[in-house]
Amino acid sequence: EAQVTQNPRYLITVTGKKLTVTCSQNMNHEYMSWYRQDPGLGLRQIYYSMNVEVTDKGDVPEGYKVSRKEKRNFPLILESPSPNQTSLYFCASSFGGGGSAYEQYFGPGTRLTVT
Amino acid sequence: AQSVTQLDSHVSVSEGTPVLLRCNYSSSYSPSLFWYVQHPNKGLQLLLKYTSAATLVKGINGFEAEFKKSETSFHLTKPSAHMSDAAEYFCVVSSWRDDKIIFGKGTRLHILP
Repeated sequence: EAQVTQNPRYLITVTGKKLTVTCSQNMNHEYMSWYRQDPGLGLRQIYYSMNVEVTDKGDVPEGYKVSRKEKRNFPLILESPSPNQTSLYFCASSFGGGGSAYEQYFGPGTRLTVT
Repeated sequence: AQSVTQLDSHVSVSEGTPVLLRCNYSSSYSPSLFWYVQHPNKGLQLLLKYTSAATLVKGINGFEAEFKKSETSFHLTKPSAHMSDAAEYFCVVSSWRDDKIIFGKGTRLHILP
């Protein structure tokens, strides 16, 4: 089954404790992206990757890191989480980004709470 | 820079009546435009997309949208609302000039019995 998986689905952590949210897709997509969703703000792009070893900042990259060492995986790293990073996070993938008209496929979301 | 504005944060309609969700965009280059739907506690699903072919785009579940370049709009419509349409809807813009993908803030659609 074609899908994007994220782990964990729920996470409660404390300020400053490094964490990683994994994202994996099995559709051989080149473009992968991380978003955060906050009430009233929609989804905002954190980072995206056009292909292996190619990543770039979205609109809200501060406090986050990513890597793309393999085509299928795109982990999101919070090296020192803060309460303002409490949010619902989505990973997405598609055959192309930017001006391409390819549909994005979304993971189920990770609800992160930082206390 | 690209941007997208969803003109209503909440829309309420009665079951069986038409739905109109409004979206205006800004893009310096020919954009690709999408509508996604998010049902409560679920992920996001593509409703439809515009890719510079036909300006009237048909999507799933009876939804359609019309691309109007002169008005920089991409409004989503449905002739007759169903209770299962209650969800949050997002208008999305991207262009070849910028690899970013920009979401609107969303419109929550309420269906009244």
